[in-house]
Amino acid sequence: NAGVTQTPKFQVLKTGQSMTLQCAQDMNHNSMYWYRQDPGMGLRLIYYSASEGTTDKGEVPNGYNVSRLNKREFSLRLESAAPSQTSVYFCASSLLAGGFHEQYFGPGTRLTVT
Amino acid sequence: QKEVEQNSGPLSVPEGAIASLNCTYSDRVSQSFFWYRQYSGKSPELIMSIYSNGDKEDGRFTAQLNKASQYVSLLIRDSQPSDSATYLCAVNNGGSQGNLIFGKGTKLSVKP
Repeated sequence: NAGVTQTPKFQVLKTGQSMTLQCAQDMNHNSMYWYRQDPGMGLRLIYYSASEGTTDKGEVPNGYNVSRLNKREFSLRLESAAPSQTSVYFCASSLLAGGFHEQYFGPGTRLTVT
Repeated sequence: QKEVEQNSGPLSVPEGAIASLNCTYSDRVSQSFFWYRQYSGKSPELIMSIYSNGDKEDGRFTAQLNKASQYVSLLIRDSQPSDSATYLCAVNNGGSQGNLIFGKGTKLSVKP
């Protein structure tokens, strides 16, 4: 069981470039999440998918799009990267949404936008 | 704005002592509470969840919840240098489909 996996681990982008962060889980979880973590700001929710076929905005969705490709995979896309999107991005999953179920995190992607 | 507050630390304790980490939250309807440990450069790792008032023990870890005071704590007994990490408190948001709100974390340092 790999749990939650993320690719890539590190990425450097120039302002205006686009990229997609990939996330997959093998725990048969229904709900998946994308967070960003910045120094002094804690973890903030970008988007989440309560179940396959649904996605919703979190606290900081501007500049991002997501796709729930299937039950296992949830991707995060930056269409036109900005320096303010320099951060560490974590994907997480839980059995169900609603905050009652434990969330398990992937190893993270460290993104730098120059 | 619903908030989860933690003392940023660093909290320094000697090896073998009890480390006490505290968290307060603003949303009275929150029902689930989680503690995560995050080593530097790594992802958050779930330590404990607690849903009812009182204490919940798991090995050297005890989570304590007091919903009336809107307060949750984590005690680490017999602290080890390997416990040195940042501890994140997370609370479910009673509105907004119940997503988790994370505190900014308390950095714990256990000195040999």
